Amino acid sequence: DAKTTQPPSMDCAEGRAANLPCNHSTISGNEYVYWYRQIHSQGPQYIIHGLKNNETNEMASLIITEDRKSSTLILPHATLRDTAVYYCIVVTNFGNEKLTFGTGTRLTIIP
Amino acid sequence: GAVVSQHPSRVICKSGTSVKIECRSLDFQATTMFWYRQFPKQSLMLMATSNEGSKATYEQGVEKDKFLINHASLTLSTLTVTSAHPEDSSFYICSARETSTLVSTQYFGPGTRLTVL
Repeated sequence: DAKTTQPPSMDCAEGRAANLPCNHSTISGNEYVYWYRQIHSQGPQYIIHGLKNNETNEMASLIITEDRKSSTLILPHATLRDTAVYYCIVVTNFGNEKLTFGTGTRLTIIP
Repeated sequence: GAVVSQHPSRVICKSGTSVKIECRSLDFQATTMFWYRQFPKQSLMLMATSNEGSKATYEQGVEKDKFLINHASLTLSTLTVTSAHPEDSSFYICSARETSTLVSTQYFGPGTRLTVL
């Protein structure tokens, strides 16, 4: 699986949009971009995933660049409960694909 | 969304005893489940891949005789930590792969915190 690079930490004011970047310059054509988050002492929570088109669901939006070498997760109106470590993972989508967790981005929402 | 449960959420045991952790997919069937371990201030590390009806596949450095995995049904996988020692104290998390849609997704349980005295 391709490696990803994320900033170690970010702050965002409550109510503002949180934009979390991820670089995956070695991503291959059949690899998807998945985002998970882990709130302290809990299991990771699935947020969103995409292949090449931008995606939106009730939690977030995922913007993938045209060359697919980077993506941005957008939390449109951050709340204090969005404070967590966010993981960007690229993985193929068949067989027993393994998720390799890097160090992620620790997002802190400031009141 | 798909829900995965784990039991127990927290367990304290004496050194040398065995502990069993259950992972269940509540509203979907999972032919594949995964077991992870997370030490304080570290990221999740995959321990093994559990396939229903067959032997688990362990990651390098994970002792298969110490961490016994059974995936007897499409909704249940168990991890047994045998002869637990203090260094096995960790946060154990399972995930289940949901494949009803064209693109599969792994959903995680809430985790089990194991403390070995």
